[in-house]
Amino acid sequence: KNQVEQSPQSLIILEGKNCTLQCNYTVSPFSNLRWYKQDTGRGPVSLTIMTFSENTKSNGRYTATLDADTKQSSLHITASQLSDSASYICVVRREISSGSARQLTFGSGTQLTVLP
Amino acid sequence: DAEITQSPRHKITETGRQVTLACHQTWNHNNMFWYRQDLGHGLRLIHYSYGVQDTNKGEVSDGYSVSRSNTEDLPLTLESAASSQTSVYFCASSPFRSGGSNEQFFGPGTRLTVL
Repeated sequence: KNQVEQSPQSLIILEGKNCTLQCNYTVSPFSNLRWYKQDTGRGPVSLTIMTFSENTKSNGRYTATLDADTKQSSLHITASQLSDSASYICVVRREISSGSARQLTFGSGTQLTVLP
Repeated sequence: DAEITQSPRHKITETGRQVTLACHQTWNHNNMFWYRQDLGHGLRLIHYSYGVQDTNKGEVSDGYSVSRSNTEDLPLTLESAASSQTSVYFCASSPFRSGGSNEQFFGPGTRLTVL
């Protein structure tokens, strides 16, 4: 069964600290993995996408890693800010020939709270 | 600026009533999607469309329907609302159909409560 598991479910850190969010998946065959940020009361917004050949990709203070062998990804946030408080969702796309919206499997997200 | 909007943002209705949630995008995207988001679950696909007159069922389509009469709109209808359909509903759109890294752009969501 194609699944995406995220950990921890929730995380509280102090402003300025670093943190790492985890995403483990069983989706196969793998196409790509995307991290979304969802602010409270808003829709998800894409942060970055990882393809099979990419190990690390940065977007400002956000750095995503991918280990396709172990089927794990992480999102590292450096020098956290209050505005980083949000839910972070991992989404994995399965590679199938027909091309369907059913290719996507969403994780349930990690709720990050950054305190002053 | 192009955008995707949903209305209403909040809705309270009674069991058995028909409810329609609106979704409108100005990106001219071919693909549109409806998801529901519940605590402890990832976003779950309800219905999707790849273009005008095209609609497809997602993983949780029972009790929901959609129609696509133009590129910009994909309204979601709950034929007879049930308490189990209390949720936050997100509409999304994307420019391409198959494969690739096409990003989905999400609307702000509609919080629906069925009493």
